[in-house]
Amino acid sequence: DIQMTQSPSTLSASVGDRVTITCRASQSINTCLAWYQQKGGKAPKLLVYKASSLESGVPSRFSGSGSGTEFTLTISSLQPDDFATYYCQQCSSLSTFGQGTKLEIK
Amino acid sequence: QVQLAESGGGVVQPGWSLRLSCVASGFTLTPSTSTIHWVRQAPGKGLEWVAVVSPDGSQIYYTDSVQGRFTTSRDNSKNTVYLEMNRLRPEDTALYYCARQLVGPHWFFDLWGRGTLVTVSS
Repeated sequence: DIQMTQSPSTLSASVGDRVTITCRASQSINTCLAWYQQKGGKAPKLLVYKASSLESGVPSRFSGSGSGTEFTLTISSLQPDDFATYYCQQCSSLSTFGQGTKLEIK
Repeated sequence: QVQLAESGGGVVQPGWSLRLSCVASGFTLTPSTSTIHWVRQAPGKGLEWVAVVSPDGSQIYYTDSVQGRFTTSRDNSKNTVYLEMNRLRPEDTALYYCARQLVGPHWFFDLWGRGTLVTVSS
């Protein structure tokens, strides 16, 4: 099984900050990786797929990068609506999610 | 409006069975479109992929912890996907989502339902 490890688990930041979340795979997954945003009890929302492709309608302040085993999600300038939990997901071998990163207001 | 809607959750005892439904609206399930996945989230925990069924129902995969106990299927004529859950365990307690795979071969999920809650407790 491929394990996905996100860091940090919790991130405190302020509106306007640039933040980066990291996701590491236990083995190479090429670019078979997505990022999702989940807010309070709602369904996850797809942000980025194929490691760096922005889903339609997602603001350009979100960007993804990486390949192989290390990936990042960057928010260039935090907006109030961005405080949520973020998950990475691999699709190279069945599917596995990271444990999540909670982005909190500092 | 394009959406997925899950139903069928509830409170059951360990060892019991439950069948979840996922109805698509605003788009049509056909034998050549819309791979559908099930993803669950235990209370206060992260996301866990559970199962997938291909558009024609011929390719089905499960996560190890539910293999042999859960069965997913679909009836395209009813625009509905099912998750039959047998021999339920307390650790199966979760909010169960169905999700549509983004067009293409990769398992990215572009449309999610609101989920249906399954509680397994004696």
